[in-house]
Amino acid sequence: SQQGEEDPQALSIQEGENATMNCSYKTSINNLQWYRQNSGRGLVHLILIRSNEREKHSGRLRVTLDTSKKSSSLLITASRAADTASYFCATDGRRNRDDKIIFGKGTRLHILP
Amino acid sequence: DGGITQSPKYLFRKEGQNVTLSCEQNLNHDAMYWYRQDPGQGLRLIYYSQIVNDFQKGDIAEGYSVSREKKESFPLTVTSAQKNPTAFYLCASSIGRNNEQFFGPGTRLTVL
Repeated sequence: SQQGEEDPQALSIQEGENATMNCSYKTSINNLQWYRQNSGRGLVHLILIRSNEREKHSGRLRVTLDTSKKSSSLLITASRAADTASYFCATDGRRNRDDKIIFGKGTRLHILP
Repeated sequence: DGGITQSPKYLFRKEGQNVTLSCEQNLNHDAMYWYRQDPGQGLRLIYYSQIVNDFQKGDIAEGYSVSREKKESFPLTVTSAQKNPTAFYLCASSIGRNNEQFFGPGTRLTVL
């Protein structure tokens, strides 16, 4: 079952611009995580935001969480070629008895030179 | 260096053969996970283990088996019962449930 769903599926922007990706989910959560995956590689954890937090920063990354709308956004400022990757949100389900984290299908980000 | 490793990176299998994918971590993590990723798709959970000698089925466990005899190791066997095994397989570990997961580099399995 898919909990988080990213939007858009694909995004191409010019280097130096900001990139915004969104994640929507269906049930209440304890926390939401964002991961990055370079082509053919494993995922790398970027940031975790708890349900009682509204915004979190890490370097050029800014994550927001709106639990009333069941949505989160990931903003990458001043994008670089190295930011080209797929980005996934992952949510746990507060009512999920087996406590699995569920990943969305991801947003493919391409930074144009 | 602490981390999580998977081997081999590429694996080819003939139809009808079982094959085992290795996953090892030296992060002292209790929880370990196996995911399958198909092209352009997200991750689907195959099996996970929260403690040694215990594991649970994920969303797509049919045709797969695992063991967790040691904390460091969580091998995945793709059996001949798995009808469409060609995919990218990712192993991950975490300190506990719902925490940050650390991923291995993945194994790309191709059935010939």
